[in-house]
Amino acid sequence: GDSVTQMEGPVTLSEEAFLTINCTYTATGYPSLFWYVQYPGEGLQLLLKATKADDKGSNKGFEATYRKETTSFHLEKGSVQVSDSAVYFCALSAFRTGNQFYFGTGTSLTVIP
Amino acid sequence: GAVVSQHPSRVICKSGTSVKIECRSLDFQATTMFWYRQFPKQSLMLMATSNEGSKATYEQGVEKDKFLINHASLTLSTLTVTSAHPEDSSFYICSAYRDMNTEAFFGQGTRLTVV
Repeated sequence: GDSVTQMEGPVTLSEEAFLTINCTYTATGYPSLFWYVQYPGEGLQLLLKATKADDKGSNKGFEATYRKETTSFHLEKGSVQVSDSAVYFCALSAFRTGNQFYFGTGTSLTVIP
Repeated sequence: GAVVSQHPSRVICKSGTSVKIECRSLDFQATTMFWYRQFPKQSLMLMATSNEGSKATYEQGVEKDKFLINHASLTLSTLTVTSAHPEDSSFYICSAYRDMNTEAFFGQGTRLTVV
C-alpha cells in the first residue's frame, strides 16, 4: 500500500543553518506530495505541495522537489529561523485511494538563536 | 482560502463520559470529510472517512461503536468519542475537500484528555 517514510527527529539547528528533512514514499501511480507544518498547539498547515514529477513546491523559503526516480520529496531551507520551530509532516495523497492522506511520522525541528 | 473549523480545540473529560468534536467547512460544501488521530510522537493515522448522508467508512482496527461519526450536512461532520477512557487521549483532526481535485483543508485539531 501507499506509505511515507520520513527522517526521524528531533532536529536542532542554529539560526541561519541549512535544513534538510528527508522524505521518501511508496505509491502506485502518481500521487500528489505535500509538506505540512504543525506549530505548537495548532493544527496542520499546508507548507507546500507538488502534484507531478519534477515539480518543485516552495513557500516561505522552503522547497521540495518531486523526484519520481528516487521516490523522494525532501524538504530544504537555506537559512532557518527561530520561528520555523515546529513539527513537519511529509504526506501523499492519491485520487486512486480516495484522496486520503498518508503521513510520515513527523520531524520535530527546534531552531535556537 | 477555504477554512475548516474544528471545535473544541481542547477538552478534558472524565472516564466513562462522551465527547463530541465538530468539524465545519466554513465557506464550501464538503461531501467527504476525514478524521485522523495522532498519538504522542507519532504520525496522523486515518480513522474514518465521513460521507454526507451515508454511513462513515472506518479503517481497520477503529471501533465504529466507540467513535461515532455523523455527517448530517454538507458543512458539518461530528466525531463522538463514547465512554471515553484514558487511552483515548489523543489529538484528533479533521480534513475536508472542496472537491476531489483540490487540496485538503485541515481543522485546528482537538486535544482530548481523558482523566
